[in-house]
Amino acid sequence: EAQVTQNPRYLITVTGKKLTVTCSQNMNHEYMSWYRQDPGLGLRQIYYSMNVEVTDKGDVPEGYKVSRKEKRNFPLILESPSPNQTSLYFCASSYGGQFSKGNTGELFFGEGSRLTVL
Amino acid sequence: AQSVAQPEDQVNVAEGNPLTVKCTYSVSGNPYLFWYVQYPNRGLQFLLKYITGDNLVKGSYGFEAEFNKSQTSFHLKKPSALVSDSALYFCAVRRTGGFKTIFGAGTRLFVKA
Repeated sequence: EAQVTQNPRYLITVTGKKLTVTCSQNMNHEYMSWYRQDPGLGLRQIYYSMNVEVTDKGDVPEGYKVSRKEKRNFPLILESPSPNQTSLYFCASSYGGQFSKGNTGELFFGEGSRLTVL
Repeated sequence: AQSVAQPEDQVNVAEGNPLTVKCTYSVSGNPYLFWYVQYPNRGLQFLLKYITGDNLVKGSYGFEAEFNKSQTSFHLKKPSALVSDSALYFCAVRRTGGFKTIFGAGTRLFVKA
């Protein structure tokens, strides 16, 4: 089954304690991205990756890091979490390149990771 | 700069009535437009998209959307709402040749039995 898997789904942590949210996709997608969802703000992009070893900042990258060492994995790292990073996080992936019959550009989302920083 | 506006925080409709969820966008060049739906405690699911061609596109669960280039709108519609359609709906835009997808703030649809 084609899917994007995030872990953990729920996490409560304390300020300053480093954490990693993992994301893995089994669709051989080139493009992967992290979003955070906050009430009234929709989804805001944190970081994205066009392919292995190619990452770039989104709209709200402060306080986050990512890496793309393998095509299927795109972990989100919070080196020193703060309460303003309390949010619902989504990983998403899609095919890269030009649109075609097999690549229609939509994003495939994970189930989300709800993070609370105390 | 790209942007997406969903002017209504919430839309209320009675079951069996038609529904419309509004979306307007701003993007340079030709846009790729999407609608996603989010059910409680779930990730976003793709509903439909406009890439090119016919301005009326059909998607999953009986939903359709109309692309209007002059009004830069992409409103989501369904002829007859179901209670099970109650969810959070996001409009999104992607610039031709690009990969970044910008989302609107979302519209909560509430369908009353």
